[in-house]
Amino acid sequence: NAGVTQTPKFQVLKTGQSMTLQCAQDMNHEYMSWYRQDPGMGLRLIHYSVGAGITDQGEVPNGYNVSRSTTEDFPLRLLSAAPSQTSVYFCASVSENTEAFFGQGTRLTVV
Amino acid sequence: TQLLEQSPQFLSIQEGENLTVYCNSSSVFSSLQWYRQEPGEGPVLLVTVVTGGEVKKLKRLTFQFGDARKDSSLHITAAQPGDTGLYLCAGQSYQLTFGKGTKLSVIP
Repeated sequence: NAGVTQTPKFQVLKTGQSMTLQCAQDMNHEYMSWYRQDPGMGLRLIHYSVGAGITDQGEVPNGYNVSRSTTEDFPLRLLSAAPSQTSVYFCASVSENTEAFFGQGTRLTVV
Repeated sequence: TQLLEQSPQFLSIQEGENLTVYCNSSSVFSSLQWYRQEPGEGPVLLVTVVTGGEVKKLKRLTFQFGDARKDSSLHITAAQPGDTGLYLCAGQSYQLTFGKGTKLSVIP
């Protein structure tokens, strides 16, 4: 019973590098989202998707791209990493009764 | 942007004490959720409250949704070290909006 699986768990990038954070869910949820969590800032919504082929911007979308080719997968791409993107990233899959199931997070450091 | 203000931001108490955490907003939400997050893990849902004035109990935790559906409180009775963690409230409208959280430490 995997739920939401995020990889990698830790990553260090150099400024300007690109990378993709992977997120997969096995609960057949239509709604998925990406958050970043910074000290004192809580969870801020980056992008979300209400179903395969549909994505939209959240509160802090700049510097990130997403796609949703299947119900299961919702990868988050950093196009050109910046130190301001150092954060903990959480993927969430949301059930029809609005319960959010979170992955374990990816701790990203950009140097 | 709908904002959720949580207070206090930090709380350190002795085992056995009672505490209340607050979540306030100027916006009305269709439902409000409370999550608990432990270090190195993602948040885990504790409860969802939907109806104004609703009270839900989960063992020593009591959750209340304000009559106007703009605020909520979490009361813990006889806190234990295992209650230590970050407590997050989240309001549901079109999206799920999170507060900044209350970091609770329960000292044995």
